[in-house]
Amino acid sequence: QKEVEQNSGPLSVPEGAIASLNCTYSDRGSQSFFWYRQYSGKSPELIMFIYSNGDKEDGRFTAQLNKASQYVSLLIRDSQPSDSATYLCAVFPSGYSTLTFGKGTMLLVSP
Amino acid sequence: DAMVIQNPRYQVTQFGKPVTLSCSQTLNHNVMYWYQQKSSQAPKLLFHYYDKDFNNEADTPDNFQSRRPNTSFCFLDIRSPGLGDAAMYLCATSRAPRLALQETQYFGPGTRLLVL
Repeated sequence: QKEVEQNSGPLSVPEGAIASLNCTYSDRGSQSFFWYRQYSGKSPELIMFIYSNGDKEDGRFTAQLNKASQYVSLLIRDSQPSDSATYLCAVFPSGYSTLTFGKGTMLLVSP
Repeated sequence: DAMVIQNPRYQVTQFGKPVTLSCSQTLNHNVMYWYQQKSSQAPKLLFHYYDKDFNNEADTPDNFQSRRPNTSFCFLDIRSPGLGDAAMYLCATSRAPRLALQETQYFGPGTRLLVL
């Protein structure tokens, strides 16, 4: 069973703060990791991917990967109310050709 | 703009009445996926096509079928919808499975199905 675990939240942060979203995965051989943002009633939208240990930055978003700990995170700097959404972590387990999704963490950014 | 299109965006059907959901793509991607997503849950993969090759997930009920008549279109047929089938149905595409580490899936807007 290939599992991806996320805290369902909600994670509440004030506007301008750093939001930290976390994800753990069970398959040690997993190679690619993705963060999707999903607004209520909408479909998931890709915002970041990472496949090397360390940090990857894209604008206000930073993805962090630690394969030894089987842990991937997403940091959102200068959080805005428009960042309020559910963030889905998705993983390609080894030997699989389809993504495994976590249940997502709801982020609420208050003005 | 290249995109994934789903029709209709909202579908209301009656218990037991067959329904078909449509997905089309202009990305020329080889793979098309159908997911079911219920409130506060992860998207659940139902099946996917790699070109014409159909791949069914082991726990997808027989009530769900799919057709892919050409590269651009894929359909989800629910033969006898039950109340438990009310959900958002998401179509996604990708160029090919695992061509490269950054290859991933791109989603259409979804169809919300209501079963009365």
